[in-house]
Amino acid sequence: DAKTTQPPSMDCAEGRAANLPCNHSTISGNEYVYWYRQIHSQGPQYIIHGLKNNETNEMASLIITEDRKSSTLILPHATLRDTAVYYCIINNYGQNFVFGPGTRLSVLP
Amino acid sequence: NAGVTQTPKFRVLKTGQSMTLLCAQDMNHEYMYWYRQDPGMGLRLIHYSVGEGTTAKGEVPDGYNVSRLKKQNFLLGLESAAPSQTSVYFCASTPRGRRGDTQYFGPGTRLTVL
Repeated sequence: DAKTTQPPSMDCAEGRAANLPCNHSTISGNEYVYWYRQIHSQGPQYIIHGLKNNETNEMASLIITEDRKSSTLILPHATLRDTAVYYCIINNYGQNFVFGPGTRLSVLP
Repeated sequence: NAGVTQTPKFRVLKTGQSMTLLCAQDMNHEYMYWYRQDPGMGLRLIHYSVGEGTTAKGEVPDGYNVSRLKKQNFLLGLESAAPSQTSVYFCASTPRGRRGDTQYFGPGTRLTVL
């Protein structure tokens, strides 16, 4: 699976959009981009995933660049409850996910 | 659906004791996984199973054993606990391991080995 690079931490003002970047320059054509988050020490929570096209669900939007070497997770209106560690994962079959250190997002009042 | 559940939520062991962690899922998923997470670290895969009666080693399997006698349950055993196994353990499941499948995680078991 391709390796990912994320900033270690980010701040975002409550009510504003949070844009979390992820670089995955070695991604192969059939690998998906997944995003999970972990609040405190709870189990990781699935957010969204995509292959080539941009994706949106009730939680977030995923923007994947045309060359697929990077992506951005967008939380449109961040709340204090969105404070968490966000993981970007590249994977083929939803198996054996490799979790890196992620990005610690702090939503500030 | 309860999703993925884990038992117990917390446990304290003495060095050399044994215990079994239970993971259960009610989503009829084929694949199940055990991860551990140490403070400030990402998750690391211990063992996984691609179906009832099958198991395989992950990244950090030493000191652990697993069994998948029933499709809905995945057990993680520590035969002789060591302080290095103090960690938070997460179980997860995936429908069939097809392209684009999603993993669903349990709430975790916090284990301390003294």
